[in-house]
Amino acid sequence: ILNVEQSPQSLHVQEGDSTNFTCSFPSSNFYALHWYRWETAKSPEALFVMTLNGDEKKKGRISATLNTKEGYSYLYIKGSQPEDSATYLCASSTGGGNKLTFGTGTQLKVEL
Amino acid sequence: NAGVMQNPRHLVRRRGQEARLRCSPMKGHSHVYWYRQLPEEGLKFMVYLQKENIIDESGMPKERFSAEFPKEGPSILRIQQVVRGDSAAYFCASSPGFNTEAFFGQGTRLTVV
Repeated sequence: ILNVEQSPQSLHVQEGDSTNFTCSFPSSNFYALHWYRWETAKSPEALFVMTLNGDEKKKGRISATLNTKEGYSYLYIKGSQPEDSATYLCASSTGGGNKLTFGTGTQLKVEL
Repeated sequence: NAGVMQNPRHLVRRRGQEARLRCSPMKGHSHVYWYRQLPEEGLKFMVYLQKENIIDESGMPKERFSAEFPKEGPSILRIQQVVRGDSAAYFCASSPGFNTEAFFGQGTRLTVV
């Protein structure tokens, strides 16, 4: 993996469904993996920053895991709600700080 | 504590004009980052600045683009002699330290006509 890649590109789920997305990143020289939530016309909002292999973080119904050896992270949303509709971005850094390489995002739409 | 403020939100320039994009970081934040999102692409790092210093400009185009973060006032991203390919959304982020969480502004959407 040379770039940060996210899948799927877009996802439609029903309210109450649980869902997950994947972020793949270069595992060499890895420093940190960031997840952002980005609603249209708003600023990207930081969800998690993870650095250690096996890290798991949780915020409400959203959680994330990190595998630095194989270069992937999963973001899970439990019991999706319409307000979860947004684009979810992941980004990796190799040297620390906030010089981030972003994926193109997973666009989630939660329907009633 | 106001968030990261960018202005203007929308900017239209004719080819050959100059564009100046401003970013006021959050209070207490001395690290500023600029990112660009071209149409149909993801956010791409441009430059990392601290007060009065450019730390990393590896993502800046070699010509026409410059950035500064003076001791007083906002950070400025300046694009001289704009071309249509400069049309993009430009985002600024700030953080209080090197390895601390960055907060993004809402972006400036530049359209070159």
